[in-house]
Amino acid sequence: GESVGLHLPTLSVQEGDNSIINCAYSNSASDYFIWYKQESGKGPQFIIDIRSNMDKRQGQRVTVLLNKTVKHLSLQIAATQPGDSAVYFCAEIPNYGQNFVFGPGTRLSVLP
Amino acid sequence: ETGVTQTPRHLVMGMTNKKSLKCEQHLGHNAMYWYKQSAKKPLELMFVYSLEERVENNSVPSRFSPECPNSSHLFLHLHTLQPEDSALYLCASSQGRLNEQFFGPGTRLTVL
Repeated sequence: GESVGLHLPTLSVQEGDNSIINCAYSNSASDYFIWYKQESGKGPQFIIDIRSNMDKRQGQRVTVLLNKTVKHLSLQIAATQPGDSAVYFCAEIPNYGQNFVFGPGTRLSVLP
Repeated sequence: ETGVTQTPRHLVMGMTNKKSLKCEQHLGHNAMYWYKQSAKKPLELMFVYSLEERVENNSVPSRFSPECPNSSHLFLHLHTLQPEDSALYLCASSQGRLNEQFFGPGTRLTVL
């Protein structure tokens, strides 16, 4: 499969446990954030998004939390499954710009 | 499938070759992007096309030449590349530039 990043931060969790993936963003004026998942051999896929007027948003088995005070974004995955193994990226759009800025990614490994 | 296709999926070329990467989106979007994904680095935005006009070129060397003949197709023409250009090249599209981007599976390029 594709090697997205040989030395990415790695999070290993047991199947069935909850996962928390963190992201520190750079610009306090960013007003839109997305989490992407990239599986081996595939392009990034949208998971969930959140705008700066919210601090929490829930999807199916995933929750995104936004802490604007410390410029921190997290992705929580409930009951992690083997299919969740992938690299996860956060992306932000600063309110002065028009392009997404992507984080370096975190590799999630789900242990049986 | 995300609705964004890329061909070829893998490409090996010599430094003197000329080749082209192709991207097609079936989503009716009006913005298309080329990104470079290298090991140990975040996604790097190369080019942005909005309404078929190039609106951004992020200091990309002239050996990379994009072309957007219509809103559904995007090409990246390559010539006299260097080994450090070896990477995964991702195409994405979106409806408006401030919304979620849908990515293709990428072309894994190796320059010998």
